[in-house]
Amino acid sequence: KAGVTQTPRYLIKTRGQQVTLSCSPISGHRSVSWYQQTPGQGLQFLFEYFSETQRNKGNFPGRFSGRQFSNSRSEMNVSTLELGDSALYLCASSDGQGLGGYTFGSGTRLTVV
Amino acid sequence: AQSVTQPDIHITVSEGASLELRCNYSYGATPYLFWYVQSPGQGLQLLLKYFSGDTLVQGIKGFEAEFKRSQSSFNLRKPSVHWSDAAEYFCAVQTGANNLFFGTGTRLTVIP
Repeated sequence: KAGVTQTPRYLIKTRGQQVTLSCSPISGHRSVSWYQQTPGQGLQFLFEYFSETQRNKGNFPGRFSGRQFSNSRSEMNVSTLELGDSALYLCASSDGQGLGGYTFGSGTRLTVV
Repeated sequence: AQSVTQPDIHITVSEGASLELRCNYSYGATPYLFWYVQSPGQGLQLLLKYFSGDTLVQGIKGFEAEFKRSQSSFNLRKPSVHWSDAAEYFCAVQTGANNLFFGTGTRLTVIP
């Protein structure tokens, strides 16, 4: 079966702009989680969506937001980009029940200049 | 609050040698534990997971991990390392909020 698809793979944006990243989970999975990976902070949880509702949220400013559609695809949006937002953004797909493990996509590499 | 400690930032081993990557966790309830591997510029691939039952868990690519509750550890092992195992390895605990809390990772270099 198809894996987790993240688009685009690479993105370059200017400070102050906004960006939208997309994640299509494994078919049948209803949970999508987003993580930010940076050399300084490592892997940090952003938020999780389950059945179109944000179920959990990490400790990130309100500039980071997301949503999930009825087909379980999720988007993540970052507004007013800062240089520190440069990172690899990973999404993880799961059944949402917590016992099936998490399957990650290849990530979107965002560079803010 | 949960925490995951991977005390070794970087490990170098010779091809064919055995490997053990250390992971210590702190979590109030019964932990669900994971090991993931990441190649440069790539996402995370699940090596193995522990939810309950047998404390020795077998994973993909010849890896195994042992859960030791008394030591709060979940160390990853492989009897004979291949050059293709060079990557970064992350230990993680699943929180009650259904997300993963990761350690800082251990970078593995394999010498031919």
